[in-house]
Amino acid sequence: RKEVEQDPGPFNVPEGATVAFNCTYSNSASQSFFWYRQDCRKEPKLLMSVYSSGNEDGRFTAQLNRASQYISLLIRDSKLSDSATYLCVVNGAGSYQLTFGKGTKLSVIP
Amino acid sequence: DGGITQSPKYLFRKEGQNVTLSCEQNLNHDAMYWYRQDPGQGLRLIYYSQIVNDFQKGDIAEGYSVSREKKESFPLTVTSAQKNPTAFYLCASSIWDSNQPQHFGDGTRLSIL
Repeated sequence: RKEVEQDPGPFNVPEGATVAFNCTYSNSASQSFFWYRQDCRKEPKLLMSVYSSGNEDGRFTAQLNRASQYISLLIRDSKLSDSATYLCVVNGAGSYQLTFGKGTKLSVIP
Repeated sequence: DGGITQSPKYLFRKEGQNVTLSCEQNLNHDAMYWYRQDPGQGLRLIYYSQIVNDFQKGDIAEGYSVSREKKESFPLTVTSAQKNPTAFYLCASSIWDSNQPQHFGDGTRLSIL
């Protein structure tokens, strides 16, 4: 099983739609979880950390399910500017090292 | 402005040449990292450094070298031993705490001439 696995997409959704991404991780000892967004040919930027109790930041909601070892990201009321690749990131076998998923590509269509 | 500065933005390497990528941060972060990203692939860790004068190999260190003489600086040298160096190189920094995210510079694109 890959350490961090994401559906590569692409997810093509109309403006205003709600879209959800899932990510699974293999290391049950992982403690830290993040979602980053990466625009084409740019650096990854932190979108949000993922907490055990779940957390929300405006239109974005992140959830963690430790029992099933997956993380989710929900985007409500999608905007054109949300078009990007979303990276699931987990601290890996060495607890200070982060392991990056390959990303899920989202295209929001007018 | 606090942040991470990578230079150059684009770099071309000739056969048999070593090239050095610069990474400077003014976030007062202890930890710094170098990643490589190939098209359609996730980020892979090359080297990381927790403190000055100390660094550790990541998953793909062969053909690369680093130094950490100052807290603010973590240059990466791509040596001639790295046979497939064409990639997007990203430098990151963080507080040395497993719960802290990493913050990235805007990257250097390296190509072979």
